[in-house]
Amino acid sequence: GESVGLHLPTLSVQEGDNSIINCAYSNSASDYFIWYKQESGKGPQFIIDIRSNMDKRQGQRVTVLLNKTVKHLSLQIAATQPGDSAVYFCAENISLRGYSTLTFGKGTMLLVSP
Amino acid sequence: DGGITQSPKYLFRKEGQNVTLSCEQNLNHDAMYWYRQDPGQGLRLIYYSQIVNDFQKGDIAEGYSVSREKKESFPLTVTSAQKNPTAFYLCASSIPLGGTGELFFGEGSRLTVL
Repeated sequence: GESVGLHLPTLSVQEGDNSIINCAYSNSASDYFIWYKQESGKGPQFIIDIRSNMDKRQGQRVTVLLNKTVKHLSLQIAATQPGDSAVYFCAENISLRGYSTLTFGKGTMLLVSP
Repeated sequence: DGGITQSPKYLFRKEGQNVTLSCEQNLNHDAMYWYRQDPGQGLRLIYYSQIVNDFQKGDIAEGYSVSREKKESFPLTVTSAQKNPTAFYLCASSIPLGGTGELFFGEGSRLTVL
C-alpha cells in the first residue's frame, strides 16, 4: 500500500545502536514540543514532550533535547530495536489566548535492521 | 476504553462524489482536528474545532467541510471540489484550554479516488 514514508529523510541503524533524529522548528514563540511516532497505516502516537523552559527531558529509552538558540529539537533513542522502525514527527505548539495549535514537521523515517 | 474512532478505515470514491469521514471521541476533549497526510509532506491541518458549534479553517480547507454539532463528533466531508482527495486522513482531539497541546490521534481513514 501507499507508504507515508515515501520521499522522507531516512535514518538507517543497526539494532542496539543509539539513534538521533533531528528537527528544526520555525517559530520562536513556540512553547511546547512533542515527538510522535507513526507506524505504517496507523495514527501518530505520543512519545515524549518538552516545554520551552527546559532543554532536556528523558523518558524510557528516549531523550529530547531542545536548543532554542538555533530552534532545534532532537530525539535520541537508546538501544534502538526493530520495533522502533517508524516515521517520527516533531511538532511545535503555539498557545494563543489559551488555545493550542500544533504544527508538524515533515517527518523522518527510522529503519532498524536486526 | 477512551479513545478516538475513525471510520471507515478504507474508502473508495468515484470522481465527483462527496464522501464523509466519521470521527468520534469519548475522551471528553473540547478540541478536535482533521489532518491530511500525503507521502513526504507530513501532516497538514484541514479544519479544527475548539468548541461545539464552532470550527475554523486550517491550512488546506478548500474542498472540505465539517460540522461540530456534538462534542464527541467531528465529521469531515470531502467534496467534489477537492481536486486531489486521495490521501490518509487523521482525526485528533485535545484539551485546548490549560492543556499541554498534546493531540490524541485516531487510526486514520485512507481515501482513494478511482
